[in-house]
Amino acid sequence: AQTVTQSQPEMSVQEAETVTLSCTYDTSESDYYLFWYKQPPSRQMILVIRQEAYKQQNATENRFSVNFQKAAKSFSLKISDSQLGDAAMYFCAARGTSGSRLTFGEGTQLTVNP
Amino acid sequence: DTEVTQTPKHLVMGMTNKKSLKCEQHMGHRAMYWYKQKAKKPPELMFVYSYEKLSINESVPSRFSPECPNSSLLNLHLHALQPEDSALYLCASSQPRGTDAIEGKEAFFGQGTRLTVV
Repeated sequence: AQTVTQSQPEMSVQEAETVTLSCTYDTSESDYYLFWYKQPPSRQMILVIRQEAYKQQNATENRFSVNFQKAAKSFSLKISDSQLGDAAMYFCAARGTSGSRLTFGEGTQLTVNP
Repeated sequence: DTEVTQTPKHLVMGMTNKKSLKCEQHMGHRAMYWYKQKAKKPPELMFVYSYEKLSINESVPSRFSPECPNSSLLNLHLHALQPEDSALYLCASSQPRGTDAIEGKEAFFGQGTRLTVV
């Protein structure tokens, strides 16, 4: 089983600036996957980035990157050169390899100011 | 095709009605999920089907009845719902445990059905 905690209910950033969203997790499994999902007002839950726990290298997808600290059980998301279209609710999620359950954090509402 | 298609997009139903939500994917995924999401909250897992068999039921009331007719389709049958059941219902699919490839480990979500019970 996993628990995921996002301690920032709301964040804001100026357009073109960088913002970091925090996530911590706990799991009893030795191998697992971590994800960041974005949910804009359109409601579609969109995968932003994924990280396999056994890989030490931090995942990167264009302007999105993670800081994965396995010992600290931390998985933060950095958004560089923020754009207006990045405004959304961001959910951190975890999934163990022993099952299909995907566990979400409470979410962080990101506002991008022009 | 990396889409999960949900129908209908919006549904208004009375407390005595029977309705069904439908979900379809053609990515070859063998795990399919129903989630319920209230505004500004994370999705709450309701059911998981793995290889067309119900593998997780999160103590959901019996007025919600899932069905997985085949590996591409997932239904959620609704009967005698309460106003507090009004929410966004999300369907998702992924590869189930035991699959090696990272691709598909994440859940792919549909756009959801906005359900209002009156």
